[in-house]
Amino acid sequence: GESVGLHLPTLSVQEGDNSIINCAYSNSASDYFIWYKQESGKGPQFIIDIRSNMDKRQGQRVTVLLNKTVKHLSLQIAATQPGDSAVYFCAATPPGGSYIPTFGRGTSLIVHP
Amino acid sequence: GAVVSQHPSWVICKSGTSVKIECRSLDFQATTMFWYRQFPKQSLMLMATSNEGSKATYEQGVEKDKFLINHASLTLSTLTVTSAHPEDSSFYICSASTPGRVYEQYFGPGTRLTVT
Repeated sequence: GESVGLHLPTLSVQEGDNSIINCAYSNSASDYFIWYKQESGKGPQFIIDIRSNMDKRQGQRVTVLLNKTVKHLSLQIAATQPGDSAVYFCAATPPGGSYIPTFGRGTSLIVHP
Repeated sequence: GAVVSQHPSWVICKSGTSVKIECRSLDFQATTMFWYRQFPKQSLMLMATSNEGSKATYEQGVEKDKFLINHASLTLSTLTVTSAHPEDSSFYICSASTPGRVYEQYFGPGTRLTVT
């Protein structure tokens, strides 16, 4: 089955710095990946996604990089703000149409003003 | 758009009682809804997938007789925790996907259940 892990449970950064959150996945057949942000006591919020036929996708202040060779993806947040403080989850979805993602453990991003 | 609500946002119940949690898609029709459970500082664990008008598909290890899921309409799914025990205390989150875009899940705000 799929297992998705994150390299660091907590990441502390200073406001204005760039943040990089990493994620590894196990199923090389996974073809759709999503990053979610979860603030305390709330449900996950979609940030950005990427399909396996891409290696980079950019959004507003966020970039997701996918390295299928080593089964790794990362979320880069530019100019991190205190409002970015949250737990970030990556999710990998297997092929086959069910689109049921497997969530990683989560990285807690702490932004210091 | 694509807003999902849950009710209640938190509930405290006594051991042995049953609790119903509602998940509603407010501005879209959700053919598929998902129920997750999340323990403190842990990831989301998928409990079941429900499609409108059909029985829910439960993940391995989830007791379907304990966690009753009903998806009677395109905008409402309910999770009933029957004969709740303290170990059922958790954060329950639902999500919904729109027809044709099942890969996009919109999450509700979650329901904090505490069983005393």
